[in-house]
Amino acid sequence: AQTVTQSQPEMSVQEAETVTLSCTYDTSESDYYLFWYKQPPSRQMILVIRQEAYKQQNATENRFSVNFQKAAKSFSLKISDSQLGDAAMYFCAYRSANAGNMLTFGGGTRLMVKP
Amino acid sequence: KAGVTQTPRYLIKTRGQQVTLSCSPISGHRSVSWYQQTPGQGLQFLFEYFSETQRNKGNFPGRFSGRQFSNSRSEMNVSTLELGDSALYLCASSSINTGGNTIYFGEGSWLTVV
Repeated sequence: AQTVTQSQPEMSVQEAETVTLSCTYDTSESDYYLFWYKQPPSRQMILVIRQEAYKQQNATENRFSVNFQKAAKSFSLKISDSQLGDAAMYFCAYRSANAGNMLTFGGGTRLMVKP
Repeated sequence: KAGVTQTPRYLIKTRGQQVTLSCSPISGHRSVSWYQQTPGQGLQFLFEYFSETQRNKGNFPGRFSGRQFSNSRSEMNVSTLELGDSALYLCASSSINTGGNTIYFGEGSWLTVV
């Protein structure tokens, strides 16, 4: 079974600065997808960014980018120019390419943004 | 385009009762998944339905069950409620059954068991 680990329960960043959230995963599969989801106080999960394991190029979405290290099974999220609206819980998630739409989530990282 | 809609948003039940939660996926989406979120266990996968068939099931007791209708709407049922079933139940929908397609989540149903 796959496992996803987020070792930072809480992180804090100054507004306009950069922060990196860590995620590691364990799998024996070669074809899979990785995601970062944001959960604001409303509790609705919002997709931030996704990475296909077969792509070597790291995904980027505006201020959000990932550092995907397949051999190390590491998938970190970098948030640049942090904004107050970025404050939320962030979850790393894994999905096998052959197991439908089942997501395995990490424990989450609470990000606080200081003005 | 309407998002994933979950009803009811909040409910309180007594131990031993049963509860049914409903989820309407985004129009055109045929895959619906359910997750339980608690402070202690985090986000855990319950089950997934695609075209009215259960495709995947998480490690939950048989008290947790679900179904999907021909219009893709889904319900989950929890029987003989326990205090530990108090949680946020999230529903998610997707357009196809696999691959890198985006999974969209609803706002959840808050269940409190007293």
